[in-house]
Amino acid sequence: DQQVKQNSPSLSVQEGRISILNCDYTNSMFDYFLWYKKYPAEGPTFLISISSIKDKNEDGRFTVFLNKSAKHLSLHIVPSQPGDSAVYFCAASRVGSNYKLTFGKGTLLTVNP
Amino acid sequence: KAGVTQTPRYLIKTRGQQVTLSCSPISGHRSVSWYQQTPGQGLQFLFEYFSETQRNKGNFPGRFSGRQFSNSRSEMNVSTLELGDSALYLCASSPSTGTGTYEQYFGPGTRLTVT
Repeated sequence: DQQVKQNSPSLSVQEGRISILNCDYTNSMFDYFLWYKKYPAEGPTFLISISSIKDKNEDGRFTVFLNKSAKHLSLHIVPSQPGDSAVYFCAASRVGSNYKLTFGKGTLLTVNP
Repeated sequence: KAGVTQTPRYLIKTRGQQVTLSCSPISGHRSVSWYQQTPGQGLQFLFEYFSETQRNKGNFPGRFSGRQFSNSRSEMNVSTLELGDSALYLCASSPSTGTGTYEQYFGPGTRLTVT
């Protein structure tokens, strides 16, 4: 049973435009969400997180939106840059046990110059 | 601060053998988690250690085990290797003490190939 789903295996955008990566979850006990970026042959790099008490969190070019009623979150990257090309993972956890992350299967983002 | 380090980076073993992977967390981090990444299953949680105690375990067979030392360094062991154990094994450390929200920081991983 996949509790965190990233339904788009890949996404291609032009440099300078907005990239929107989506993630859905089924477990209503999740209350802390994170996005990681991963390059080949490297470990995931933490990007941004959001707690369920918020609906938006921004950090530079990255913004995460959380819609609890729809059990949906999204990562917006504006403007997209070629260096953003990587696999993006959505992850979820429960506060108090956030050492255990449940990951989606990732979305490969390609930003074309 | 130095990041999470994992050794070795690459490993080739044959079926039936056992293997030990090592992880050194970020200085000051007492929580160490292990994950397995495969193309089919994605990233899956193996187990987590905090202050030398296993706090949680994922849905993996008993062939997968781990431990943590007093300096927070951690090892994981896989016995009686199977072909399906071929994967990237990732270690992550966190400043988490069990309450509040904390991010996990990942090492580069150990690529294990079982032949």
